[in-house]
Amino acid sequence: EAGVAQSPRYKIIEKRQSVAFWCNPISGHATLYWYQQILGQGPKLLIQFQNNGVVDDSQLPKDRFSAERLKGVDSTLKIQPAKLEDSAVYLCASSLTGASFSGANVLTFGAGSRLTVL
Amino acid sequence: GIQVEQSPPDLILQEGANSTLRCNFSDSVNNLQWFHQNPWGQLINLFYIPSGTKQNGRLSATTVATERYSLLYISSSQTTDSGVYFCAVDPNAGGTSYGKLTFGQGTILTVHP
Repeated sequence: EAGVAQSPRYKIIEKRQSVAFWCNPISGHATLYWYQQILGQGPKLLIQFQNNGVVDDSQLPKDRFSAERLKGVDSTLKIQPAKLEDSAVYLCASSLTGASFSGANVLTFGAGSRLTVL
Repeated sequence: GIQVEQSPPDLILQEGANSTLRCNFSDSVNNLQWFHQNPWGQLINLFYIPSGTKQNGRLSATTVATERYSLLYISSSQTTDSGVYFCAVDPNAGGTSYGKLTFGQGTILTVHP
């Protein structure tokens, strides 16, 4: 089974510029997550989609971050304008479903997109 | 929200040694996963273990849900085991999991040859 695909792997931008990250989840996985991992910390959830609907975006800084999953498959996370503190790895994950039955909500992560804001 | 504490924060071993990593969590959970983050940043699933004991080769994990902790055992450690080990949990929201994981701060493991 193919894993979670993410691109680009690395991106360097100046502050106030914009950037977009792309994620393609495991085939058949209804739930998709974007996490932010700042150096030295554990990942933190930004947004969760169930199919093409948002389940939770309470920790997404909506003044600068946006995300969409238009057809319920792949997703894009955008930052505009970027700040220095946005430097982090952006991890995409997917699971079969967000519902609670054994094994269904096991998250599988992609390799991540490392953002450096100068 | 739920709190997740991992210990120790750092661990240095000689190849061949055994180790135990601990994860304490502040509320009941219906999803607990252990991950290994390799030097390239990839988070690799090790175990899905909201309760009970599982083994996979040199690794095993035990979660005692009633006492709110989980242990990850690494036996006969190898240099390739180096990296950061994360415990992540999804609180039990009335029996329904929404699949959102809260991560601990991780344990940095270094295995020397």
